[in-house]
Amino acid sequence: IQMTQSPSSLSASIGDRVTITCRASQDIGIALAWYQQKPGKAPGLLISTASNLHSGVPSRFSGSGSGTDFTLTITSLQSEDFATYHCQQAKSFPWTFGQGTKVEIK
Amino acid sequence: QVQLVESGGGVVQPGRSLRLSCVASGFTFSDYGMKWVRQAPGKGLEFVAVIAFDGSLKYYGDSVEGRFTISRDNSKNTLYLQMNNLSGEDTAIYYCTKERLPRASPDCDSWGQGVLVSVSS
Repeated sequence: IQMTQSPSSLSASIGDRVTITCRASQDIGIALAWYQQKPGKAPGLLISTASNLHSGVPSRFSGSGSGTDFTLTITSLQSEDFATYHCQQAKSFPWTFGQGTKVEIK
Repeated sequence: QVQLVESGGGVVQPGRSLRLSCVASGFTFSDYGMKWVRQAPGKGLEFVAVIAFDGSLKYYGDSVEGRFTISRDNSKNTLYLQMNNLSGEDTAIYYCTKERLPRASPDCDSWGQGVLVSVSS
């Protein structure tokens, strides 16, 4: 299953609403996870099963979608949110990731 | 809290072998499946291998099938990745990851700090 994220990168300001999309090449139901990766660090789980916020993740993050189209939304961008975001399909082996979306400071 | 500490990386010549280790703590290691995920420089994430909580099932990504072997020692809370016949395309940071739910889960809620493997002559 191919996972395609868009955009590949974006520039935004503190307080902006940011939306990242992830498209699967076939129906994966809600079997989708989102990860955040800061420079030089390992990824961390943000959201599982498309919309379930992982423990400790701020409520400004949310996920939605099902089937082939998914969205990660940050409602009010904070300084610590500048990072790269990855989606991963969890429907079938081999589990595949999107190419990543880098969120940069405008 | 959960800790995953990888070791064993380094610079290796093409065609040679390397074994990575990951020591886990802060959770019941024998209850969780574990994965290796890698990231080539400037690239995205790639699934490498997964092993079931009891070691009974193992799966590999297409690019490493037949060359890499994942294993675990639940008595030592340690995950391994034996990498043989390495090539430049295997150059990457390798992350040890813990599955989110006991027994089986495709997503991962804990990641090690990563270990760099560089394949170069």
